[in-house]
Amino acid sequence: GQNIDQPTEMTATEGAIVQINCTYQTSGFNGLFWYQQHAGEAPTFLSYNVLDGLEEKGRFSSFLSRSKGYSYLLLKELQMKDSASYLCAVRPNQAGTALIFGKGTTLSVSS
Amino acid sequence: DAGVTQSPTHLIKTRGQQVTLRCSPKSGHDTVSWYQQALGQGPQFIFQYYEEEERQRGNFPDRFSGHQFPNYSSELNVNALLLGDSALYLCASSLLSGQETQYFGPGTRLLVL
Repeated sequence: GQNIDQPTEMTATEGAIVQINCTYQTSGFNGLFWYQQHAGEAPTFLSYNVLDGLEEKGRFSSFLSRSKGYSYLLLKELQMKDSASYLCAVRPNQAGTALIFGKGTTLSVSS
Repeated sequence: DAGVTQSPTHLIKTRGQQVTLRCSPKSGHDTVSWYQQALGQGPQFIFQYYEEEERQRGNFPDRFSGHQFPNYSSELNVNALLLGDSALYLCASSLLSGQETQYFGPGTRLLVL
């Protein structure tokens, strides 16, 4: 079966750093994606990892270890607008095919 | 450059009815995928269309069907609606040949009473 696990909820304060973990067990692997989803809105793409290591994009970084089936999303200098659900998704098959999503992690940032 | 668009934004139906949702992909994209997102859950893959054919399907019953038109736009049809079909329906577009991610539309929120 296909399984993606991530914590249900996390809280943090403005200016802090938060790490959202994701573990996966899928039939194949052809990339891991992180999306941000504000309440009532569509998911928006944050990052993509297909090789092991860290990808940095401004305040957001994502890490992948394929041997461990593990990824994390690191958010630095948190802002109130970062309060959202963060979705971890794996593409188990070749390029262009469907994504399998975790249930999402709801992050609440307080002042 | 328009992103992914979906219509309608909201819809209310009663059990047993049928519904059609529409999606126009991002310019230059040739593949459309549909997802169902229940409240508090991640999106679940329904099916994917490429070259007007269903290319991949998730674990959804035959009540869920779709279509892709020559201009790459797509429709999702759901027959014999159940209360459990109430959800946000997301359309995502991509290039079949690319490694890039899928880009999501704003979704259609369906409420079945």
